[in-house]
Formats: sequence, C-alpha cells, structure tokens
Amino acid sequence: RKEVEQDPGPFNVPEGATVAFNCTYSNSASQSFFWYRQDCRKEPKLLMSVYSSGNEDGRFTAQLNRASQYISLLIRDSKLSDSATYLCVVRELNTGFQKLVFGTGTRLLVSP
Amino acid sequence: DTGVSQDPRHKITKRGQNVTFRCDPISEHNRLYWYRQTLGQGPEFLTYFQNEAQLEKSRLLSDRFSAERPKGSFSTLEIQRTEQGDSAMYLCASSNLGTGDNSPLHFGNGTRLTVT
Repeated sequence: RKEVEQDPGPFNVPEGATVAFNCTYSNSASQSFFWYRQDCRKEPKLLMSVYSSGNEDGRFTAQLNRASQYISLLIRDSKLSDSATYLCVVRELNTGFQKLVFGTGTRLLVSP
Repeated sequence: DTGVSQDPRHKITKRGQNVTFRCDPISEHNRLYWYRQTLGQGPEFLTYFQNEAQLEKSRLLSDRFSAERPKGSFSTLEIQRTEQGDSAMYLCASSNLGTGDNSPLHFGNGTRLTVT
C-alpha cells in the first residue's frame, strides 16, 4: 500500500465548476499535511497547509480527518489557470527526521 | 532571483557514464532535500541534509548515488554508471529549520536526466 494515495484523474471540469480531490495516508503518526500544485514540467509549489479545523484560502478549502486519515481539497469557481496537478503531501516523523511524502498527484483540466 | 537553483536544467548521457548535478538552496535555508520524479508519479524522497550533515538516505539511493553538501551551502548529487532507469527529473528543495516544522519546501526547477 502506498503511503499517500490519490486518484490520478484527470478531472475534466468546465470553468466555474466546483471540484474536490481526496487523499488518504497510511501512517497514523503523520504530523503535518499540505497540498502542493505542480504545473506541467515545472517544480511543485506549496498551495496550502492543511489544519485539523479545516482552512480556506480564497477559492480553496482544505480539510483533514485524522481519524479516517483522509485529506481533501475543494476548489470553487474553477479557473482555466487552475489546470495543474495537485499533490497531496504528508510530513512523517521518522526517527527524528521529518520526511515529506508525496502522493502521485491528481490532474485537473479546466476547460472554457 | 533568490530561489533554489539547479544546474544543469537538462542532461543527456549514455548508459554507464557518470553525471553530477548541483543545487544552490535559498541562502538562509539550512535544510536541503533531493527528490526524484518520474512521469505520472509524485516526487520520491532521496536524501536530506541539515547544514552539512547528511541525516537521511532513502533505500532508493543505491550505491551508485552519492550526495554531498560540503560547506552546508550548495549540494551535489552524483550518479555513477548511469542506467536507463535513472532517467527522471531530479528535484532539489530547501527549507528553514528556524521557521518550524511546518516550513514549506521550496523546490528548484529540477534537472531532467535522460540516459540513452
């Protein structure tokens, strides 16, 4: 079983749609959670951290369910520029070293 | 530009040759990471430095791979006797220990390696 699992997609949505991505992680000792965005042939960039209480940044809302080991990202009012791969990322504590583990990513395509 | 820089951007080499990549992290960042990414996959952790000390190495890092960060600033990743399976994007990232456990990773543009 992969440490961080995501549906690879692609998710094809029209502009203005609301789309949700899910992610599950296997290590119950995971400490921190993030969503990164990666454009085609570019490096990953931090989109937002994910907090237990849920957090929002403009059109983006992230949720964490520690009991179910589940993370979600909701994008409202999708824009063409939202087309990218969204990587679910978990920080694991491993004998004093904290490693970021990436999922395979979910690809989003927003069309006019 | 004060971001993470990697050199070269692209490298094409023949199987069996040695290659070396360089990463210059953001200057005040004391943590440095190497990741590898293949098509359709997320980045996979390779190794981690805190200042000049290499504190963690993935089992993915075979004996043909070696990384250094001699003065706690730039880092190099060397692959000896390259194999076609080494073809990937090699990403370097840095972060600042001083800003806490949730400090984000800042990635460089990556070095794309093609082994023919």
